[in-house]
Amino acid sequence: EDKVVQSPLSLVVHEGDTVTLNCSYEVTNFRSLLWYKQEKKAPTFLFMLTSSGIEKKSGRLSSILDKKELFSILNITATQTGDSAVYLCAVETLRGGSQGNLIFGKGTKLSVKP
Amino acid sequence: DSGVTQTPKHLITATGQRVTLRCSPRSGDLSVYWYQQSLDQGLQFLIQYYNGEERAKGNILERFSAQQFPDLHSELNLSSLELGDSALYFCASSAEGTLGTPLHFGNGTRLTVT
Repeated sequence: EDKVVQSPLSLVVHEGDTVTLNCSYEVTNFRSLLWYKQEKKAPTFLFMLTSSGIEKKSGRLSSILDKKELFSILNITATQTGDSAVYLCAVETLRGGSQGNLIFGKGTKLSVKP
Repeated sequence: DSGVTQTPKHLITATGQRVTLRCSPRSGDLSVYWYQQSLDQGLQFLIQYYNGEERAKGNILERFSAQQFPDLHSELNLSSLELGDSALYFCASSAEGTLGTPLHFGNGTRLTVT
């Protein structure tokens, strides 16, 4: 059975800290890994990773994928209170033909204290 | 704002009842996905439609059904509701419904079954 596991489940840090969120997966027909940020409502898209070892970066957030060891990390540097959210990792698998299936982990709840 | 619109935002109903959740995808997106998010299960894929046709089914109960209309909006029908159906229901859309296109989520409908 395909599965995506995120760790830690929750994390409390202070502003200015750097955090690393982990996502490991066991799936058949891996196609891509995605990170989403969920505050109070809709998950918002952060990154899509398809190739090993190539870092994706957006401001203070960065992410990298290791397809050999089957994991990804999401780094946030100089955290701010606005980074407080649940961070979701999802893996896209090939369902059939060109159709993908997105499997989500349960998320890491990040709380940034002032 | 993702451009995906879901109504209603909140819904409270009794066991045994039937409800309809509505979703309008982002302009130009042909594919609509429905997800259920409960506290202990994370985001679970229910069903996908592409340009009016069902494309994939996930963990959708027989009591649930969905459709996508010619104007591309979608409805998720939940019947014979049980307490365990209480959850946040998300709709997401993507441009083509194929691999490599990130999903964009609406703000969800919070369903409470009493």
